[in-house]
Amino acid sequence: SYTLTQPPSVSVAPGKTARITCGGKNFDTNTVHWYQQKSGQAPVLVVYDDSDRPAGIPERFSGSSSGNTATLSIRRVEAGDEADYFCQVWGLSSDQVVFGGGTKLTVL
Amino acid sequence: DVQLVQSGAEVKKPGESLKISCKASGYDFSSFWIGWVRQKPGKGLEWMGITYPGDSDTKYNPSFQGQVAISADKSVTTAYLQWSDLKATDTAIYFCARRNNLKFDRWGQGTQVTVSS
Repeated sequence: SYTLTQPPSVSVAPGKTARITCGGKNFDTNTVHWYQQKSGQAPVLVVYDDSDRPAGIPERFSGSSSGNTATLSIRRVEAGDEADYFCQVWGLSSDQVVFGGGTKLTVL
Repeated sequence: DVQLVQSGAEVKKPGESLKISCKASGYDFSSFWIGWVRQKPGKGLEWMGITYPGDSDTKYNPSFQGQVAISADKSVTTAYLQWSDLKATDTAIYFCARRNNLKFDRWGQGTQVTVSS
């Protein structure tokens, strides 16, 4: 079955750039979406279609995808960015949704 | 404003049945798929399945096929997730989410389901 691989944790100092990766297959044909989930809250879409931002999401959040790796970047990290981040694809051939295992972002 | 409001927390015993709901507002309910996602304590997101209220087409993650039933009622713009035989391993938070193209752009607040004898 299709899987997405994320590092369990990423730590970054305030003001620096955090990069969270998502490993999979065929990202050239499957777009990647990213969700932020703060403790005790529902997930929120922060990047969709590899690199687009929904309305209301700060420009500090950006995404990229190439080959078998997608990356969520958060510039000028703030304490409020501390959360779990999940990548997601929709397997077009299988019509199934897959989530990555999630990455806990810790702001030092 | 698009909103998905889920029903409240539930405490059930193993073997009991349960139906939780997700009330949608602020958009054309019939034209967007609604999915359900499970999150066990301290774990990640698991996609369970999705339904299209316009024609009741429903797709399941094979891992959940036969374990739950997903449905929607256009007349009350509400989606449902149902169990007929709950197990302790069903203890989790369940989220509904609207699919917009291939992403989930709006989420409900989650429903805590606890199954314990």
